[in-house]
Amino acid sequence: EAGVAQSPRYKIIEKRQSVAFWCNPISGHATLYWYQQILGQGPKLLIQFQNNGVVDDSQLPKDRFSAERLKGVDSTLKIQPAKLEDSAVYLCASSLARTSGRAGEQYFGPGTRLTVT
Amino acid sequence: GNSVTQMEGPVTLSEEAFLTINCTYTATGYPSLFWYVQYPGEGLQLLLKATKADDKGSNKGFEATYRKETTSFHLEKGSVQVSDSAVYFCALSSGGGADGLTFGKGTHLIIQP
Repeated sequence: EAGVAQSPRYKIIEKRQSVAFWCNPISGHATLYWYQQILGQGPKLLIQFQNNGVVDDSQLPKDRFSAERLKGVDSTLKIQPAKLEDSAVYLCASSLARTSGRAGEQYFGPGTRLTVT
Repeated sequence: GNSVTQMEGPVTLSEEAFLTINCTYTATGYPSLFWYVQYPGEGLQLLLKATKADDKGSNKGFEATYRKETTSFHLEKGSVQVSDSAVYFCALSSGGGADGLTFGKGTHLIIQP
């Protein structure tokens, strides 16, 4: 079974530029998450989708971050404009549906390491 | 809001030593509790979980018991190996485990031969 795929793996941009990350979850996983992991800290949830609907985006900085999950499969996370403090690893994870009883068992992708200079 | 506190690292042990990594949490209701592990060069992966009070999660010789009275979920292993060297994250999820995860800061474990 293929795991969660993410691209690109690394990205270096200057502040005020824009950037986009892509995620393809495990086939059949209805729930998709984006996390931000700053060096030395645990991942922080940015947004959670169930199919193509948003379940929780309370910690997403909506003035600069946006995310979508068209057709309930792939997802993109965008930052525009980027700030220095956005330097982090962006992790995508997927799991079975919230009603499955196994939603907490999340499968993580390798992450995208973003450096903002 | 939800929060997880785990012991600071790095934790350095000799092979075959006993391991305990402390984890306490704050949450409303009855969260599900998890330990995730990140081996060098690899992605985060689920190690074990417990969904209700007094449940014990176990995997690969690791164990953790959900203690509601002390709001704790300490990770233990009786005899660690060099291959256990990794970063360990304690996490919780509310909503019956259906919500996104709240993670601790992680504990870097180093096992010396």
